[in-house]
Amino acid sequence: EAGVAQSPRYKIIEKRQSVAFWCNPISGHATLYWYQQILGQGPKLLIQFQNNGVVDDSQLPKDRFSAERLKGVDSTLKIQPAKLEDSAVYLCASSPLGFYNEQFFGPGTRLTVL
Amino acid sequence: AQTVTQSQPEMSVQEAETVTLSCTYDTSESDYYLFWYKQPPSRQMILVIRQEAYKQQNATENRFSVNFQKAAKSFSLKISDSQLGDAAMYFCAYRTDGGNQFYFGTGTSLTVIP
Repeated sequence: EAGVAQSPRYKIIEKRQSVAFWCNPISGHATLYWYQQILGQGPKLLIQFQNNGVVDDSQLPKDRFSAERLKGVDSTLKIQPAKLEDSAVYLCASSPLGFYNEQFFGPGTRLTVL
Repeated sequence: AQTVTQSQPEMSVQEAETVTLSCTYDTSESDYYLFWYKQPPSRQMILVIRQEAYKQQNATENRFSVNFQKAAKSFSLKISDSQLGDAAMYFCAYRTDGGNQFYFGTGTSLTVIP
């Protein structure tokens, strides 16, 4: 079974630039999560989708972050414009519908904002 | 608010020895789930072990076991017969029953000494 795929693995941008991350969850997983993991901290949930609908985006900085999951499969997370404090690893995870204890994580995208 | 505290930023253990990683959490809920995740240097998070709060019996997965003290809100991970492949960042996490979000601690970096 293929795992959660993310790209790119690494990204370096200047502040005020835009960046987008892509996630492909495990086939058949209805629930998809985006986490932000700042160095030295645990992952923090940014947004959760169930199929193509948003379940929880209470911790997403909506003035600069946006996410979508068209057709309930792949998802993209965008930051526009980026700030220095956005430097982090962005993790994508997925789980089968209703099985919230079974989160499978991707390798993450490491973002550095200069 | 739910918080998860890991008071040991770094731990080390001799190969084949036993090590215990600590975790405490704060919640007013009675039903919840606790997890230990492993994050090797490749950064893909992997579930190590899970404990349901309603179960009194401590969970065990091969060399990994937990000491769950519900009254004390403590959830420690014991790794027996430590192996070089156990070296990683370990995160304690919490989820309420009926909730979707995982709350992660700040992690403990485990080094295994040959």
